[in-house]
Amino acid sequence: AQSVTQLGSHVSVSEGALVLLRCNYSSSVPPYLFWYVQYPNQGLQLLLKYTTGATLVKGINGFEAEFKKSETSFHLTKPSAHMSDAAEYFCAVSGDFGNEKLTFGTGTRLTIIP
Amino acid sequence: ETGVTQSPTHLIKTRGQQVTLRCSSQSGHNTVSWYQQALGQGPQFIFQYYREEENGRGNFPPRFSGLQFPNYSSELNVNALELDDSALYLCASSYGPEVGRGYEAFFGQGTRLTVV
Repeated sequence: AQSVTQLGSHVSVSEGALVLLRCNYSSSVPPYLFWYVQYPNQGLQLLLKYTTGATLVKGINGFEAEFKKSETSFHLTKPSAHMSDAAEYFCAVSGDFGNEKLTFGTGTRLTIIP
Repeated sequence: ETGVTQSPTHLIKTRGQQVTLRCSSQSGHNTVSWYQQALGQGPQFIFQYYREEENGRGNFPPRFSGLQFPNYSSELNVNALELDDSALYLCASSYGPEVGRGYEAFFGQGTRLTVV
């Protein structure tokens, strides 16, 4: 079975400050990990993904995440927050062939303080 | 290249009724998955269709059923609606099972279903 835990349902940061959203996963097989963003009344947009290879993954809008197997973590960071980053962020895990469903965390609502 | 489109965007139904939600997958995608997102929660996997066959199902009762058509579009049907079925229903399409690629889903905007 696979699962993800997002630490902190709400995170507030000042504009220009570092954004750090935490995600820990549990998986019995090598995981595929994703971060999605959801703006109000919209669907999910893929920010970045980790499949294999380089453990530091760069995504859209200046976000990046690092896969740390020893810590079973996949935290999302952005050096400098913008007002437009305010949204709900979901970490998700999937398996490989035959287990393609996404298992999501409960989400972290990011608020940017002007 | 068109994205994933869902219809309708909003829907209000009465408890006990039946509802059909529709999804057109992104061009070239042969796999469609459906997710239920209750208010304040992460999406929950309902089921997936790959080349018109069900390819995995989450922990949802049989009154949740689906179809995938030869053009890879899909329907989600829910019978005997309950108040707890009120949620955002998300459709996601992808290129299908690929060894070593994992699963990259492209989501539609969702259908907001309200059961009263």
